[in-house]
Amino acid sequence: GQNIDQPTEMTATEGAIVQINCTYQTSGFNGLFWYQQHAGEAPTFLSYNVLDGLEEKGRFSSFLSRSKGYSYLLLKELQMKDSASYLCAVRDENTDKLIFGTGTRLQVFP
Amino acid sequence: EAGVVQSPRYKIIEKKQPVAFWCNPISGHNTLYWYRQNLGQGPELLIRYENEEAVDDSQLPKDRFSAERLKGVDSTLKIQPAELGDSAVYLCASSYNEQFFGPGTRLTVL
Repeated sequence: GQNIDQPTEMTATEGAIVQINCTYQTSGFNGLFWYQQHAGEAPTFLSYNVLDGLEEKGRFSSFLSRSKGYSYLLLKELQMKDSASYLCAVRDENTDKLIFGTGTRLQVFP
Repeated sequence: EAGVVQSPRYKIIEKKQPVAFWCNPISGHNTLYWYRQNLGQGPELLIRYENEEAVDDSQLPKDRFSAERLKGVDSTLKIQPAELGDSAVYLCASSYNEQFFGPGTRLTVL
């Protein structure tokens, strides 16, 4: 079976750092993706991890531990425009299908 | 470079009516996906195409949903007849490696 868990909502303050966790259970793993989705808009690609470790891209970083079935997205120097839903998605090795979590809605306050 | 294009952006219909959505993927992307996203949920795959071939349609409710991708470029997704529970955002995505999403069509069935 496939299961992806991430918190439903988080809040943070402008300028702060926030970590959004994602745990997954899949029958086959071939990469983990993070997408950002603003209300009423399409998801936009943020990061891709297939090997263990940290991938850094500007203010955003994503970490993966395959043995623990765990990933996090780290957002630094938060800005108001970072208020959005953040979707964790795992690609199933057997079907090549992307399985999405329900998303974490992040609200950034001044 | 143009992104994934979808039309219409919004559609309101009465139940039992037919509806169709259109998608033009990013040039050179052979893989095309149709997803359905309900409010507060992550996208769920309906069908995936490799060129003109549907390689995964296991989640497509075939009694009322149909899709085609003639010539392996543009694609249409049709619902006939629509039901109240079909109200959702229908997202099209295309990929070479990571998936890029279109803006979606927000369907409201009254």
